Amino acid sequence: GQNIDQPTEMTATEGAIVQINCTYQTSGFNGLFWYQQHAGEAPTFLSYNVLDGLEEKGRFSSFLSRSKGYSYLLLKELQMKDSASYLCAAIMFSGGYNKLIFGAGTRLAVHP
Amino acid sequence: EAQVTQNPRYLITVTGKKLTVTCSQNMNHEYMSWYRQDPGLGLRQIYYSMNVEVTDKGDVPEGYKVSRKEKRNFPLILESPSPNQTSLYFCASSLGDSSYEQYFGPGTRLTVT
Repeated sequence: GQNIDQPTEMTATEGAIVQINCTYQTSGFNGLFWYQQHAGEAPTFLSYNVLDGLEEKGRFSSFLSRSKGYSYLLLKELQMKDSASYLCAAIMFSGGYNKLIFGAGTRLAVHP
Repeated sequence: EAQVTQNPRYLITVTGKKLTVTCSQNMNHEYMSWYRQDPGLGLRQIYYSMNVEVTDKGDVPEGYKVSRKEKRNFPLILESPSPNQTSLYFCASSLGDSSYEQYFGPGTRLTVT
């Protein structure tokens, strides 16, 4: 099967740093996305990693280790508006096509 | 404005009454997908399409049909809706092999009673 695992819920304090982890099966892997989704809204793109290493984009950074089947999303200087679900999604080659497989999402609550 | 549109946004219907949720994108994307999202289960792919007249089943296709007669449109059809199809549905599109970044529609919240 193709499993994407990430924690169900996390809490953090405004102004702090939080790291959301994601692990995936490595067979057929072709890249990894992170999306942000506020309740009842559509997911929005945050980052894309295909090579090992850290991609930094403002307050958000994403890391990938292909050999370990591991990624994390790092959120710095947390703001209340960062309270949302964060979806990890891996591109997997399966059945002759590249498919995007989503994890169940991590619900982040930011407290004052 | 580049976007994916879905209609209707909200729908309450009864068991067995056929319905169609429309999806349209104006970005000339090759790939389009339908997902359903349920609490604790994340986004699960129902069907996807790689191009006009090319569609394939995703992870949860039972009870759904799709068609791709034009590049921009990818309707989702529920021939005989049942209560277990109550869910939040998202249509998404992407360029295809050059980029798999999904652009999502606003979602359709469907309730089947």
